[in-house]
Amino acid sequence: EVQLVQSGPEVKQPGESLKISCKGSGYSFTNYRIGWVRQMPGKGLEWMGIIYPGDSDTKYSPSFQGQVTISADKSISTAYLQWSSLKASDTAMYYCARRGRDDYSPLDYWGQGTLVTVSS
Amino acid sequence: QSVLTQPPSVSGAPGQRVTLSCTGSNSNIGAGYDVHWYQLLPGTAPKLLIYGNNNRPSGVPDRFSGSKSGTSASLAITGLQAEDEADYYCQSYDSSLSSSRVFGGGTKLTVL
Repeated sequence: EVQLVQSGPEVKQPGESLKISCKGSGYSFTNYRIGWVRQMPGKGLEWMGIIYPGDSDTKYSPSFQGQVTISADKSISTAYLQWSSLKASDTAMYYCARRGRDDYSPLDYWGQGTLVTVSS
Repeated sequence: QSVLTQPPSVSGAPGQRVTLSCTGSNSNIGAGYDVHWYQLLPGTAPKLLIYGNNNRPSGVPDRFSGSKSGTSASLAITGLQAEDEADYYCQSYDSSLSSSRVFGGGTKLTVL
């Protein structure tokens, strides 16, 4: 069974750094891209970017380029999303999702989400 | 403001048929890119509902169907059930954004 299990909720202060994780199981982790999606409170889904764990090739949505860093450690089948200096506006639910084989494939499996709260 | 436009809310009575729309433009849906639909239930991981405009993943009831025409796509749900109450999002790609994935703003479906 394909599963993506994300790390738990986080409460941080503005200016702090953070790295959240997404562990894949039940499939060949290095063969499928992992994407990240943001959902701000009361808002819709926003595409952040995607990584290919096989070679760490990463593409960011223009809106998130330079704001976050996406990485992966294929040895432990885990993808990451990190911030170097959080802002209150980073408060949101963050989902990881597996992309199918092709460039325009859907996000076929999703993690349960990680709630990030940034508040002073 | 989302690149793909969805009505904020739709409602229907149990057993009825409802249609959720997703309107784009010539740089996304109208350019021929596939549309996918996702269901978000509170407290659960989002679920792929329809892929490639009109295909259902294994396990998705045939009450759910998708279609696409021109610059728009639709998700139809027949035999509405209480468990269908959720948020629904369409997703495609946009050539004006480096072929980045784009989502609709989402539609909240209420089962009366």
